[in-house]
Amino acid sequence: QVQLQESGPGLVKPSETLSLTCAVSGYSISSGYYWGWIRQPPGKGLEWIGSIYHSGSTYYNPSLKSRVTISVDTSKNQFSLKLSSVTAADTAVYYCARHVGIAAPFDYWGQGTLVTVSS
Amino acid sequence: AIRMTQSPSSLSASTGDRVTITCRASQGISSYLAWYQQKPGKAPKLLIYAASTLQSGVPSRFSGSGSGTDFTLTISCLQSEDFATYYCQQYYSYPVGFTFGPGTKVDIK
Repeated sequence: QVQLQESGPGLVKPSETLSLTCAVSGYSISSGYYWGWIRQPPGKGLEWIGSIYHSGSTYYNPSLKSRVTISVDTSKNQFSLKLSSVTAADTAVYYCARHVGIAAPFDYWGQGTLVTVSS
Repeated sequence: AIRMTQSPSSLSASTGDRVTITCRASQGISSYLAWYQQKPGKAPKLLIYAASTLQSGVPSRFSGSGSGTDFTLTISCLQSEDFATYYCQQYYSYPVGFTFGPGTKVDIK
């Protein structure tokens, strides 16, 4: 059973960098597939942030591309998100998820972690 | 970017009702469409992919149809556990991005 678990600070100051990690169990990232980040502001809809292939190739939402970095650590079976220069508009529940192809839906999701941007 | 719209934005229904939700893409996306169910405080759950293929373990009362720009999700006989928000998502415009619809909240009449 594939499981994903997000972790990271729940509070980030404006202008700083948000950093989250997604630990994967039940599947080895190095075996393949794509791993993505999606966020959901409180009471609002879902927004794809970006995805990474197990080899390290990345794909970002054009609206966030200048501020996003996604990386993978196959030795720890985890992947990470960094979002720089955050503002209150980046306050959201952040989910990590898997998709089996570059053109495929998200079939396994983490439980999500709320990140609040506030001084 | 491909924009997704959904209608209605919310609906009230009773257990046993047949419910239909519509999703429209701003340009053709073939059948690269998924539907998710989200309950409060939980992650979205994949229900349907490729517009009409039921994800493993999803009850057969859920069905999807459509291609191109217009899609529907139908719940044939609404159960109490189906009260939730439903999102469509296009995954046609890889690798530049996936987009979700704004959601349709199904609540109890």
